[in-house]
Amino acid sequence: DVKVTQSSRYLVKRTGEKVFLECVQDMDHENMFWYRQDPGLGLRLIYFSYDVKMKEKGDIPEGYSVSREKKERFSLILESASTNQTSMYLCASSLLARTEQYFGPGTRLTVT
Amino acid sequence: ELKVEQNPLFLSMQEGKNYTIYCNYSTTSDRLYWYRQDPGKSLESLFVLLSNGAVKQEGRLMASLDTKARLSTLHITAAVHDLSATYFCAVDGETSGSRLTFGEGTQLTVNP
Repeated sequence: DVKVTQSSRYLVKRTGEKVFLECVQDMDHENMFWYRQDPGLGLRLIYFSYDVKMKEKGDIPEGYSVSREKKERFSLILESASTNQTSMYLCASSLLARTEQYFGPGTRLTVT
Repeated sequence: ELKVEQNPLFLSMQEGKNYTIYCNYSTTSDRLYWYRQDPGKSLESLFVLLSNGAVKQEGRLMASLDTKARLSTLHITAAVHDLSATYFCAVDGETSGSRLTFGEGTQLTVNP
């Protein structure tokens, strides 16, 4: 079974802090994704990566950056957290392009 | 820009009844995914539909894809309380590479 894990289930940070969210997959998947989920807005893609050190912007990359130094790990970075980044963050991975995505358990981030 | 619309967004039904959730999308695609999300949890893959006319069934749920009409349906037969969840469709546009575009989700409540 594919397993996607995220470093924290719940996180509370203060405005202006630098925040790291980490995601690890154990199935040697090429692609990894970061989404945020907000009520009424569904899931929106922030960034994705199709290979180590490669990344592409999604639909809402502003205020975020990512890092993929190893194939199994994909980090989402909030350089200076703001209250409008309070959300549920979901990581996903897929074996290849245009294949099924498997999701991690999510991190609920609150920025105060 | 690929747009994905689900309807209804909220569905309250009685146990034992049948109902259909609709997923319309705006551009050419031959791949569509259905996911389930329980409150506070992540997304669980239900169905992967990979071609026009594809039909998949699992228990009381059946999904189909009509790529010419740009429409997928998720049919619920004889609903039970355990099916209460939010259901998302996600479309992989032919030119979108690895990206999925999600519908807003249909929140299903099955009442005894």
